Amino acid sequence: DAGITQSPRYKITETGRQVTLMCHQTWSHSYMFWYRQDLGHGLRLIYYSAAADITDKGEVPDGYVVSRSKTENFPLTLESATRSQTSVYFCATQGSVGNTIYFGEGSWLTVV
Amino acid sequence: AQSVTQPDIHITVSEGASLELRCNYSYGATPYLFWYVQSPGQGLQLLLKYFSGDTLVQGIKGFEAEFKRSQSSFNLRKPSVHWSDAAEYFCAVGAGEGGADGLTFGKGTHLIIQP
Repeated sequence: DAGITQSPRYKITETGRQVTLMCHQTWSHSYMFWYRQDLGHGLRLIYYSAAADITDKGEVPDGYVVSRSKTENFPLTLESATRSQTSVYFCATQGSVGNTIYFGEGSWLTVV
Repeated sequence: AQSVTQPDIHITVSEGASLELRCNYSYGATPYLFWYVQSPGQGLQLLLKYFSGDTLVQGIKGFEAEFKRSQSSFNLRKPSVHWSDAAEYFCAVGAGEGGADGLTFGKGTHLIIQP
C-alpha cells in the first residue's frame, strides 16, 4: 500500500527556475493538500483541492500553481523559484469529510 | 481566520514522567481539532482528533487530549512518557467541515525526553 508518494524527495534548484513537486496517492481520496514547513512557522497551507479540477488557495499561495486533472495526482509548481521558497513541502490527502488526513514524507527543496 | 497557539517551543520531561502539551485555538465555529506528531525527517502522524461528543479524546500511543471550549484549549497529555516519544508535536484546527478546507497548525512543541 503505497499511500502517498512525493517526488522528488530532495531537490536543489536555482533562482528563477521552474520546479514541479509531484504528489501521487493510491487511495482515490477526494481531498488533497499542499503545505510548506518552515522553522518557526509550523506548517502552512499553500493550496488544496476537493476533487479533480477543483482547487482553492490556502494561506500562502503566492508564487505557486497547482492543477488536478486526475484524482490521484496533485502537482505543485513553482513557476520562478525564489530563495524564500526553500522549504519542506508536504502533500496530504483526506478520503472524505471527517476522515483522517494523511501526510506524505515530504519534499526538501533548496533554492540557491 | 482561525489560529493556533502552542505556548511552549521546547519541553523537557524525564522518562516515565507525565506530559502535558498546551494548545489554544481561535475559531469562530465548532472547531475540528487535531494533534499530530512528527519525528525527525518524517511526515506527520495523527495522534488524535476531536470533532464532537466526549470532550476527552483517546488517541494512539497512549495519548489523550481534552477539549475545553470555555478555555479554547485542546491540551495533549500522556501519563508516562517513553524515550520514543521525543519528537515535534503539532496542534491544528480544521477549516471547513472536518478539516476539508485545510488545517491551520501551531508552530509546534519540541519534546525532549531525559533518561
